[in-house]
Amino acid sequence: KAGVTQTPRYLIKTRGQQVTLSCSPISGHRSVSWYQQTPGQGLQFLFEYFSETQRNKGNFPGRFSGRQFSNSRSEMNVSTLELGDSALYLCASSLSTGMVGELFFGEGSRLTVL
Amino acid sequence: GESVGLHLPTLSVQEGDNSIINCAYSNSASDYFIWYKQESGKGPQFIIDIRSNMDKRQGQRVTVLLNKTVKHLSLQIAATQPGDSAVYFCAENSGLTGGGNKLTFGTGTQLKVEL
Repeated sequence: KAGVTQTPRYLIKTRGQQVTLSCSPISGHRSVSWYQQTPGQGLQFLFEYFSETQRNKGNFPGRFSGRQFSNSRSEMNVSTLELGDSALYLCASSLSTGMVGELFFGEGSRLTVL
Repeated sequence: GESVGLHLPTLSVQEGDNSIINCAYSNSASDYFIWYKQESGKGPQFIIDIRSNMDKRQGQRVTVLLNKTVKHLSLQIAATQPGDSAVYFCAENSGLTGGGNKLTFGTGTQLKVEL
């Protein structure tokens, strides 16, 4: 079956702009988590959505937001982009929450902020 | 200016040898641990997991050892192959009953397999 699909794979933005990233989970998966990966901070948890509700949130400013739709697809948005937001943004899906062993990651969206 | 990246520890092994990758964690409340493999340009891939009520778990060519006393986790890869070359991360979850799918990742170890 198809894996986790993230779009776009690569994008370039300038400071002050906003960006929306999309994630389509594996069919049947209802939990979607987002992670930020940078050389400086490594992999950091952003948030998790389950059944359209935010289940968990990491320590990121309010400029980072997300949502989940009824078909389990998720989007994350970063407003007022800063240079430090340049990163690989990874989405992971799972059948349910609390099932980290069955967490499947997409290949990520690489954001460059100039 | 350019930010300084994390210096990933590197483990170089000969093909066919066994590899041992180590990880220390800090949260005593963590009750679930996972090892992930990340190849260049790809997302992390699940390797093996272990719950805090166990001290050892084996998979295909991989073994995870958990020492809760010293908060240490290790991943052993038997008969290392070139395809094992990747960055390996340990991750912990601090509460499956209430923590959901929130993982805290280690900094990672770069495994290089020499022919």
